[in-house]
Amino acid sequence: NAGVTQTPKFQVLKTGQSMTLQCAQDMNHEYMSWYRQDPGMGLRLIHYSVGAGITDQGEVPNGYNVSRSTTEDFPLRLLSAAPSQTSVYFCASGRQGGDQPQHFGDGTRLSIL
Amino acid sequence: DQQVKQNSPSLSVQEGRISILNCDYTNSMFDYFLWYKKYPAEGPTFLISISSIKDKNEDGRFTVFLNKSAKHLSLHIVPSQPGDSAVYFCAASALGNQFYFGTGTSLTVIP
Repeated sequence: NAGVTQTPKFQVLKTGQSMTLQCAQDMNHEYMSWYRQDPGMGLRLIHYSVGAGITDQGEVPNGYNVSRSTTEDFPLRLLSAAPSQTSVYFCASGRQGGDQPQHFGDGTRLSIL
Repeated sequence: DQQVKQNSPSLSVQEGRISILNCDYTNSMFDYFLWYKKYPAEGPTFLISISSIKDKNEDGRFTVFLNKSAKHLSLHIVPSQPGDSAVYFCAASALGNQFYFGTGTSLTVIP
């Protein structure tokens, strides 16, 4: 059982470049989300989705776009990368509900030069 | 503004002793609280949760206590084992669509 798969694991970009972080889950979870982890800041929610075709903003959505065309996939797009977006990005999925544990991928370490 | 706070960045305990990790929150609308454990180069993994209508939840060596009046929760690990060495995050949700995480506490269990 693969769980939540994130690709790539590492990426270096130049300022202004665009890229897409991929996230796929095979547990048929309705809820998917993206977080960034920065030193001293914990995990902060970027965007989330409660089902295919439905997305919403989290705490720190600026500079990021998402879409949810299928239950399995929830890609995160950086349209014009900035050094402030250097971070470790985690994708998570789970059943909808505040008591439902989220299953996390192993993260993508992104550096913007 | 951080709605969930873990004020101790690190904690060291001897193997076999109790580990107590603390978490404070500001939003009285939070109705569920969860603890996650994270090893280096891995994603967080779910540990235990508690509903706001309870004050205690236990699962094996792990117990979470909730004090709603103080807006405080704690995770107790008894007995602590070297494999428990990890970063622990507490998280909270209101209405189930957004989860707010603390900054984490790095636990080291000394053999």
